[in-house]
Amino acid sequence: KQEVTQIPAALSVPEGENLVLNCSFTDSAIYNLQWFRQDPGKGLTSLLLIQSSQREQTSGRLNASLDKSSGRSTLYIAASQPGDSATYLCAVGSNDYKLSFGAGTTVTVRA
Amino acid sequence: DAGVTQSPTHLIKTRGQQVTLRCSPKSGHDTVSWYQQALGQGPQFIFQYYEEEERQRGNFPDRFSGHQFPNYSSELNVNALLLGDSALYLCASSRRTGLMDTQYFGPGTRLTVL
Repeated sequence: KQEVTQIPAALSVPEGENLVLNCSFTDSAIYNLQWFRQDPGKGLTSLLLIQSSQREQTSGRLNASLDKSSGRSTLYIAASQPGDSATYLCAVGSNDYKLSFGAGTTVTVRA
Repeated sequence: DAGVTQSPTHLIKTRGQQVTLRCSPKSGHDTVSWYQQALGQGPQFIFQYYEEEERQRGNFPDRFSGHQFPNYSSELNVNALLLGDSALYLCASSRRTGLMDTQYFGPGTRLTVL
């Protein structure tokens, strides 16, 4: 059974600081890994999808890396802004058609 | 291009009742998955529908059932509601493979069981 862990559970930083969010998973036999953003009481917004054959993906200020062998992914958000405040979820896609999620990291960016 | 839509937005039920939640996938998508998200936790996979059949199921009791229609929309039914069924129910859609493609999520249905 795939177990996904996200550390830290919560993070508070001043505006402009870079954010580093960590995700670890127990089974390295994955198809892909996806990072999502969730605002309070809302659905999930896909940020980045990394296929198992890739090492990283970038979109604007966001960069996500994947190390399958060690079971880790890191999401970097450069020059954080108050609008980046949200919960960030990591999800691993496996060959059983489902996504296995971590509990998320709640980020607060202070103006 | 309409994204994934879900209805209703909020729902309040009492224990023992039955509920039906609805989902319309993103245009061009034919696979629908349902997830349950309890407060403060990550979403948990309930099941996935493809070609009107349940393709995969998570660790949820038979009280949770679903259906997919020929237009790819889907319903989630929960019978004999328990207090613990209170959660945000999320629908996700993707293309045929369901493995390599990004899954797109709807806004969710907030179910409260009293």
